[in-house]
Amino acid sequence: AQKITQTQPGMFVQEKEAVTLDCTYDTSDQSYGLFWYKQPSSGEMIFLIYQGSYDEQNATEGRYSLNFQKARKSANLVISASQLGDSAMYFCAMRGGNIPGGNQFYFGTGTSLTVIP
Amino acid sequence: EAQVTQNPRYLITVTGKKLTVTCSQNMNHEYMSWYRQDPGLGLRQIYYSMNVEVTDKGDVPEGYKVSRKEKRNFPLILESPSPNQTSLYFCASRMDRVSTEAFFGQGTRLTVV
Repeated sequence: AQKITQTQPGMFVQEKEAVTLDCTYDTSDQSYGLFWYKQPSSGEMIFLIYQGSYDEQNATEGRYSLNFQKARKSANLVISASQLGDSAMYFCAMRGGNIPGGNQFYFGTGTSLTVIP
Repeated sequence: EAQVTQNPRYLITVTGKKLTVTCSQNMNHEYMSWYRQDPGLGLRQIYYSMNVEVTDKGDVPEGYKVSRKEKRNFPLILESPSPNQTSLYFCASRMDRVSTEAFFGQGTRLTVV
């Protein structure tokens, strides 16, 4: 079974501070992909960052980095220097590696981040 | 501009009245999917398609149908909508099985009364 767990329903962070959003996953696949998406109040889903299971380096995209700990099956999102525009819902997702699992995405329940001025 | 387009954005309908939500992508992507988003449950996959005429069930397919007659279009059909299908629906596409990014449509907020 594939499963994504986000244990933080809501988080607050002071503007300009860093914040870590937790994500753990459960899979028996050897090859898989991990994603983070941002959903602002307007509703659209915005791709942030991707980590492949065989990637040795943690993924980074601007102020976003993914803290990938394969043995612990965690893929936490770190946002550095938070901005007011970062206030949104954040979803962790996993793409399975083995057909047919490779065709499915599994999402967590999301973490609502509020950046405080 | 690369995009996934869903229509309509908002829809209120009555129980049992068949409806179709359209989804179109202009990126020549092989893979397309439909999700529903409900509070506290995140996004759950309804159906996905690996290419033209190839579709398969996701985690919550009951009450939905899809078709993939052309590569760019992947409509979601509710033959007899019920109130428990009130939700926010997303269509998404990606290039292939191992793509690092999925592109999402703007979402369709459906209310079934």
